[in-house]
Amino acid sequence: KAGVTQTPRYLIKTRGQQVTLSCSPISGHRSVSWYQQTPGQGLQFLFEYFSETQRNKGNFPGRFSGRQFSNSRSEMNVSTLELGDSALYLCASKTGTGRGVTQYFGPGTRLLVL
Amino acid sequence: SQQGEEDPQALSIQEGENATMNCSYKTSINNLQWYRQNSGRGLVHLILIRSNEREKHSGRLRVTLDTSKKSSSLLITASRAADTASYFCATDGTGANSKLTFGKGITLSVRP
Repeated sequence: KAGVTQTPRYLIKTRGQQVTLSCSPISGHRSVSWYQQTPGQGLQFLFEYFSETQRNKGNFPGRFSGRQFSNSRSEMNVSTLELGDSALYLCASKTGTGRGVTQYFGPGTRLLVL
Repeated sequence: SQQGEEDPQALSIQEGENATMNCSYKTSINNLQWYRQNSGRGLVHLILIRSNEREKHSGRLRVTLDTSKKSSSLLITASRAADTASYFCATDGTGANSKLTFGKGITLSVRP
C-alpha cells in the first residue's frame, strides 16, 4: 500500500499570501489529521477530518482552515501568511477516529514565509 | 500547549549501548505513543501503550507506563547508528475526541 503523500514538499511564500497544502491518505483510511511543527512550539495539532467533517480542532487562528473530500483526500489552507507560519506541516491518516489506532504520517510540506 | 515533556532533551551514546528516554505528562490519558522522526521528515509510529498497560515490547523497544506518576519511558536496547533520530512521546487524552498531544522531543545520537 502506498503511504501518506503530501504535496508540495517545499513551498516559499511571502507575507500576506495564502497557501493550500494537499494530503492523500493511505487507501482505506478515512481520518486525516494535520499538525504544525516548528522549532519553538514543537508539534501542534491543527485539526482532524473524518468523512468530510471536521471532528476536532486545535488552538489555531481562523486563518488556518481545512477540508476533506469524498475520496478522503484533504487540503489545508492558510490565508494571510505570517512569518511565524513557517513550519513543517504534517498530515497523518488512520482508519477511523477511535482511540489507540495507529496514525501514519506523511513526509510533510516545508513552508517558508518570507 | 505541550502535554508530554521528554527527558533528557538530548542523548548521545555509543553503538551497542542502551538508550533510555523519559516522558512525563500532566492530565489523564487513554494511551501514550512514541514516534521517531529522522531529520525533520515525517514521523514513524514506534509503539502504543494503553493506560491499563504497564509494559510493552516491540523488537528492541521496551515501553513502560506509570499512570500514578504520569510518566513513561522508552528503552532502545543494543542501539545502532540508524537509531539516530528525534523521539517524541504523544498522549491521547480522555476527552470526547481522540487527539494526540506531542512533547518537544529527544534528540538521540548514536555514535558508530
